[in-house]
Amino acid sequence: GESVGLHLPTLSVQEGDNSIINCAYSNSASDYFIWYKQESGKGPQFIIDIRSNMDKRQGQRVTVLLNKTVKHLSLQIAATQPGDSAVYFCAESYYGGSQGNLIFGKGTKLSVKP
Amino acid sequence: DSGVTQTPKHLITATGQRVTLRCSPRSGDLSVYWYQQSLDQGLQFLIQYYNGEERAKGNILERFSAQQFPDLHSELNLSSLELGDSALYFCASSVGGITYEQYFGPGTRLTVT
Repeated sequence: GESVGLHLPTLSVQEGDNSIINCAYSNSASDYFIWYKQESGKGPQFIIDIRSNMDKRQGQRVTVLLNKTVKHLSLQIAATQPGDSAVYFCAESYYGGSQGNLIFGKGTKLSVKP
Repeated sequence: DSGVTQTPKHLITATGQRVTLRCSPRSGDLSVYWYQQSLDQGLQFLIQYYNGEERAKGNILERFSAQQFPDLHSELNLSSLELGDSALYFCASSVGGITYEQYFGPGTRLTVT
């Protein structure tokens, strides 16, 4: 498959373990954050989002934590499965602004060992 | 399947040429975004259209242009192509003009030789 980045940080976990992927965002004014999953040869797929008035949001097997004090975002994946192997991107935006574009982080490659 | 379609899937062309990439947003979405993904630059926002009008511009070169048509599909035109333009080009769509969940298409892989 295609590689989306040659020098991505890599997280390797055992199937069934929990995964934590971290992201430092750049703009203290950003108030909307999204995590995307990108599998080889595919476009980014929306996983979960969070607005800055929250510090935690849960989805199915995933939890996003937001720490505005240190501009840090994390994605927790419970009971990681081989199908979770992908590159994960965090993205930020200023929801209250007039523009809709997302600013993406560099990505983290998650590798799940069976 | 995100509901966003892009054509073509692959494109190989020579330096100096011009190509057009096409995107159809999800049904009901008014915004279309174009992103470039290269190995060394990651995902970079190029341009956004909302309901036919340009809404935001990012790191888009002057050699590149885009438009959104009345039926809301969008085209990204890349001209005077250089080797460094080789990349994956993604289109995304969202309901509104300000950031909402953006749904990405499968991408067009452009190779300039």
